[in-house]
Amino acid sequence: AQTVTQSQPEMSVQEAETVTLSCTYDTSESDYYLFWYKQPPSRQMILVIRQEAYKQQNATENRFSVNFQKAAKSFSLKISDSQLGDAAMYFCAYADSGTYKYIFGTGTRLKVLA
Amino acid sequence: DGGITQSPKYLFRKEGQNVTLSCEQNLNHDAMYWYRQDPGQGLRLIYYSQIVNDFQKGDIAEGYSVSREKKESFPLTVTSAQKNPTAFYLCASSIEQLNQPQHFGDGTRLSIL
Repeated sequence: AQTVTQSQPEMSVQEAETVTLSCTYDTSESDYYLFWYKQPPSRQMILVIRQEAYKQQNATENRFSVNFQKAAKSFSLKISDSQLGDAAMYFCAYADSGTYKYIFGTGTRLKVLA
Repeated sequence: DGGITQSPKYLFRKEGQNVTLSCEQNLNHDAMYWYRQDPGQGLRLIYYSQIVNDFQKGDIAEGYSVSREKKESFPLTVTSAQKNPTAFYLCASSIEQLNQPQHFGDGTRLSIL
């Protein structure tokens, strides 16, 4: 069965600095999609960025970018120029092409220090 | 604006009581999902439905039931068989293309009286 692992329960970053959140996954599929979601204290789930497994180019959305290493099954999120509003829980998710299920990691709580 | 509406925002259950959480979407999405969120455990899938009148169990379906009589609606019933129902429940929907993300409601917080 596919699994998603986020090994950092909590991370801290100084405002304006860069931080990288880790995510690894396990699958035997070759075609799949990966997502990072942000959950602020309001508990809304907000899509941050997505990556198609067949694309070698890493996805980028403004200050957010990923380092996708397909062979290593790694999908880390880099946040540049961190802002106070970036403080939230971040979840990595894997979309299963066979069942259309989305499998989430346990999350990383990001604190941004002023 | 299109979106997903979950109600109520807060819900209290007495021992032995069934309660139903509402989830409605006007995004014309085919697939809908229910997740349970506990501290330190991320989102765990309870049930999901890819089409009207059909649904599948997720990883933690015991003590829960669902129905999908309309495309727009996917209510979740927490039965008395669910012994530890206190959690935050999230409903989501998506079109059936994996490159598209799920859209989430604002959640329902269920507590035991």
